Amino acid sequence: AQSVSQHNHHVILSEAASLELGCNYSYGGTVNLFWYVQYPGQHLQLLLKYFSGDPLVKGIKGFEAEFIKSKFSFNLRKPSVQWSDTAEYFCAVKGNNAGNMLTFGGGTRLMVKP
Amino acid sequence: EAEVAQSPRYKITEKSQAVAFWCDPISGHATLYWYRQILGQGPELLVQFQDESVVDDSQLPKDRFSAERLKGVDSTLKIQPAELGDSAMYLCASSFGQANYNEQFFGPGTRLTVL
Repeated sequence: AQSVSQHNHHVILSEAASLELGCNYSYGGTVNLFWYVQYPGQHLQLLLKYFSGDPLVKGIKGFEAEFIKSKFSFNLRKPSVQWSDTAEYFCAVKGNNAGNMLTFGGGTRLMVKP
Repeated sequence: EAEVAQSPRYKITEKSQAVAFWCDPISGHATLYWYRQILGQGPELLVQFQDESVVDDSQLPKDRFSAERLKGVDSTLKIQPAELGDSAMYLCASSFGQANYNEQFFGPGTRLTVL
């Protein structure tokens, strides 16, 4: 079975601070990895995804994530956060041999202080 | 921009009552998913449809939950009878197909409160 762990449940940063949200997964085979974001009052939307190739993936709004296979990690980063990045962030994994089940982590709630 | 539609947005019911949620996926999307998101947790897949057929309902509590997508377009998720532990956000998502590279698009969800 596949699982996803997000270590930080709540993160508070000031504007312009750098962000790194941790994500570790458990799965024995090839995986596809995703970060979703949910802004206040809005629905879940895809931030970025990794399927293969360059392990450093760039997404929307200046976000990026790095897949480190040896560490089973897919951490999300942004060099300088803005107040508008306040949202809940979910890491998700889909194992290639696990049907099409997308398994989500518990989420990290980010608050950016202006 | 096309979106996944869900209704109602909010539902309050008493335990032992029946509730139903409706989802209209993005036009042309053959794959439809129902997720449950308990407060403070990530979404968990309940059921997945490919057109009108159930692909995966291994996480659906079948004693009280049912889902259908009769014409392969919109879908209904039903709970009967509702229990206190069913209070959660119920999310619908759709994708063009089942392949891993197909992005899932999520609707706004139905927030269920069982009293």
